[in-house]
Amino acid sequence: EAGVVQSPRYKIIEKKQPVAFWCNPISGHNTLYWYRQNLGQGPELLIRYENEEAVDDSQLPKDRFSAERLKGVDSTLKIQPAELGDSAVYLCASSLDSDRFPVGTEAFFGQGTRLTVV
Amino acid sequence: QKEVEQNSGPLSVPEGAIASLNCTYSDRVSQSFFWYRQYSGKSPELIMSIYSNGDKEDGRFTAQLNKASQYVSLLIRDSQPSDSATYLCAVRTGMTTDSWGKFQFGAGTQVVVTP
Repeated sequence: EAGVVQSPRYKIIEKKQPVAFWCNPISGHNTLYWYRQNLGQGPELLIRYENEEAVDDSQLPKDRFSAERLKGVDSTLKIQPAELGDSAVYLCASSLDSDRFPVGTEAFFGQGTRLTVV
Repeated sequence: QKEVEQNSGPLSVPEGAIASLNCTYSDRVSQSFFWYRQYSGKSPELIMSIYSNGDKEDGRFTAQLNKASQYVSLLIRDSQPSDSATYLCAVRTGMTTDSWGKFQFGAGTQVVVTP
């Protein structure tokens, strides 16, 4: 079974330029997460989707970040314009959640996209 | 106060010894708890999940959960140099009747196993 797939793996852009990240979750997983991880810190949630609905985007800097998950499968995270402080690893994760297991199941991560803004 | 707290380390452990990692969380209604291992430059990899009070063993790993104390721990027995990594504690918080809740991560504990 294929895992969570992210692209690109690495991206270097100049500040003020736009950038987009793509994520394909594990087949059948209904919950999708975007996290940002800075060096030496744990992942920080940016946005969480349950199917195509963004159920938690409270930590997403909405002035420059946007995300979409069309048809409840693939997702794209965009930054426009990028700032130097956006340099980080952007992680996508997915989980299969069901009413049959109401406590919530584990999440699996993609390889991440390392963004460097210069 | 952070929702999930871990000692940052580094935790230095001789090869063959037991590594003990601790994690506390603030959301009392949390019901799902996870340990992830993250090698330098790699993404987090799930190694254990635990949902009920008590111990859960999987190979050399044992997770312990105490919901009353809001505490979860991970023991690594017979530590190997390949266990050298950062271990992230994750708690699923904010669960409601309409939502399964989000994963909150601690900052991670770096473990260094010395030969």
